[in-house]
Amino acid sequence: AQSVTQLGSHVSVSEGALVLLRCNYSSSVPPYLFWYVQYPNQGLQLLLKYTSAATLVKGINGFEAEFKKSETSFHLTKPSAHMSDAAEYFCAVSDRLNDMRFGAGTRLTVKP
Amino acid sequence: DVKVTQSSRYLVKRTGEKVFLECVQDMDHENMFWYRQDPGLGLRLIYFSYDVKMKEKGDIPEGYSVSREKKERFSLILESASTNQTSMYLCASSFRRRAGTDTQYFGPGTRLTVL
Repeated sequence: AQSVTQLGSHVSVSEGALVLLRCNYSSSVPPYLFWYVQYPNQGLQLLLKYTSAATLVKGINGFEAEFKKSETSFHLTKPSAHMSDAAEYFCAVSDRLNDMRFGAGTRLTVKP
Repeated sequence: DVKVTQSSRYLVKRTGEKVFLECVQDMDHENMFWYRQDPGLGLRLIYFSYDVKMKEKGDIPEGYSVSREKKERFSLILESASTNQTSMYLCASSFRRRAGTDTQYFGPGTRLTVL
């Protein structure tokens, strides 16, 4: 069965600092990997996804993630945090049938 | 833009009541999903459907049922609500039938409280 683990339920950074949100996956087949963001009182929206093309994936709002098979990781980064990035972030893994499994989420706080 | 709407943002029900949560998508998507979201647990799949009148159990189907009579509508039913079903419920849809790379599009969620 596939699963993801997000390391750190809360991450706090200063405005302008690097954002690094960690995700490790477990899958018996080549995975499809996703990062979603949830702003307060809203549903989830897609930030980016890995579908076995380029290992470095660029998403919206300046975020990117790198698929590292040897480390079974798909960490999310952004070079410079903005106040508007404060939200909850979810990593997810999907199999070929779109049966998606989500991590527990990481709440990002951005300090002025 | 894909739009997934859910019938209520907030709902308060009493223990033992039958509860219906409705979800509608407007993009002719094949797949629809119901998740519940709880702090520290992320999203857990309750049921999904990849075709009209088809349904498959997710990880936590106990106490829930679903109905998909029309392609655009997917209903979640709590036959007899209990306090441990107090949660945020999220509906999602994706385009192609069971295609692993497809993005799931989410509704805004229904926060259900069972007293």
